[in-house]
Amino acid sequence: QVQLQESGPGLVKPSQTLSLTCTVSGGSISSGSHYWNWIRQPAGKGLEWIGRIYTSGSTRYNPSLKSRVTISVDTSKNQFSLKLSSVTAADTAVYYCASGITAINYFDYWGQGTPVTVSS
Amino acid sequence: DIVMTQSPDSLAVSLGERATINCKSSQSVLYNSDNKNYLAWYQQKPGQPPKLLIYWASTRESGVPDRFSGSGSGTDFTLTISSLQAEDVAVYYCQQYYSTPDTFGQGTKLEIK
Repeated sequence: QVQLQESGPGLVKPSQTLSLTCTVSGGSISSGSHYWNWIRQPAGKGLEWIGRIYTSGSTRYNPSLKSRVTISVDTSKNQFSLKLSSVTAADTAVYYCASGITAINYFDYWGQGTPVTVSS
Repeated sequence: DIVMTQSPDSLAVSLGERATINCKSSQSVLYNSDNKNYLAWYQQKPGQPPKLLIYWASTRESGVPDRFSGSGSGTDFTLTISSLQAEDVAVYYCQQYYSTPDTFGQGTKLEIK
């Protein structure tokens, strides 16, 4: 069974870049069986899909964030990463990594989530 | 973007009674080529990540109790809990994966009456 674990700073200053990593265990990130997603949830609010990366390395982003988001993969470490630039307080949220089955994208496995606060 | 709208926003049901949550999409999520509805339901308990309950609108994920069922097609969908248990207290979300960006409903908070 696939397991995911987010890691990264819990506090980021406004205008800086938020960087998070998701480590995948229980399966190979390059197996082709899954896509790899980032999703966020502001406190007390709903879920927002940020983007995903495919085994090929190609990416799809939410248009609302596209200009600020980069998702990359490191197959040697079985990890994928999120960078969100020029952050503001509106980017404060719990950030989840999640897997989606290839060619379908409901989210079958989720990390526990990592809270990120944007504040000076 | 496809907008997902859930109703009600919150719901209180007695233990053992039926709970029904609705989800409406702004356009059809039925893909004609495979006749599948690209709609999933998730359960989120406090302090936990969402958990996949149902996909293809009506297929239960492995290990999900059979008191959870999904129905509907096109733009209108329903999640039903046939006999509410205390452990079902949670927020429930629908999600469409028909087109990018994937979008979620705003959530329905389910409580015990």
